[in-house]
Amino acid sequence: AAGVIQSPRHLIKEKRETATLKCYPIPRHDTVYWYQQGPGQDPQFLISFYEKMQSDKGSIPDRFSAQQFSDYHSELNMSSLELGDSALYFCASREGGGNSPLHFGNGTRLTVT
Amino acid sequence: GESVGLHLPTLSVQEGDNSIINCAYSNSASDYFIWYKQESGKGPQFIIDIRSNMDKRQGQRVTVLLNKTVKHLSLQIAATQPGDSAVYFCAEMGAFIIQGAQKLVFGQGTRLTINP
Repeated sequence: AAGVIQSPRHLIKEKRETATLKCYPIPRHDTVYWYQQGPGQDPQFLISFYEKMQSDKGSIPDRFSAQQFSDYHSELNMSSLELGDSALYFCASREGGGNSPLHFGNGTRLTVT
Repeated sequence: GESVGLHLPTLSVQEGDNSIINCAYSNSASDYFIWYKQESGKGPQFIIDIRSNMDKRQGQRVTVLLNKTVKHLSLQIAATQPGDSAVYFCAEMGAFIIQGAQKLVFGQGTRLTINP
């Protein structure tokens, strides 16, 4: 079965640089979520989109932005990177209505040096 | 506020034994609960879910129990295998109000180690 695809798998950036993470949801899933997971931490919700519109916002810094495109893929744009942004970034998708589980990709490991 | 937590950060079990991982949640409005398994370098993997109108649900070797009175959730894994070693997270989701606007809140994970 098709899964959530994230790219790149690994990314190394320097402080103050920018980064773009991409997410391709499971086909026919209309809702995309972004989570950040620090070492030994639980995933923290950043932002979500339903039908290309932002549906909820969590602890996402103002330096970050995201969008969902017409083909339902999503991109997380991160600017003015800080050392503390080093983390695993997960994208998840689900069918938007009712109770259904989020399906996660294998994440992008961002390292800021 | 919303919070989902686990009682123990680590749990070691002998291979073949049963394991129980516990989770407490504080948001009484939570409507839907999911257990995820996360292996090193991978994303959270769906194991089993349960809706608030149920108190028990069984899958293959796994059972989730929900006690809404004390806001407690547990995951039972039967006949544990080495491949069960991972970090397990419980997560909760609020009631459906607006299409696409439900977010998943994770609790702190429990690292399960299966000893041979």
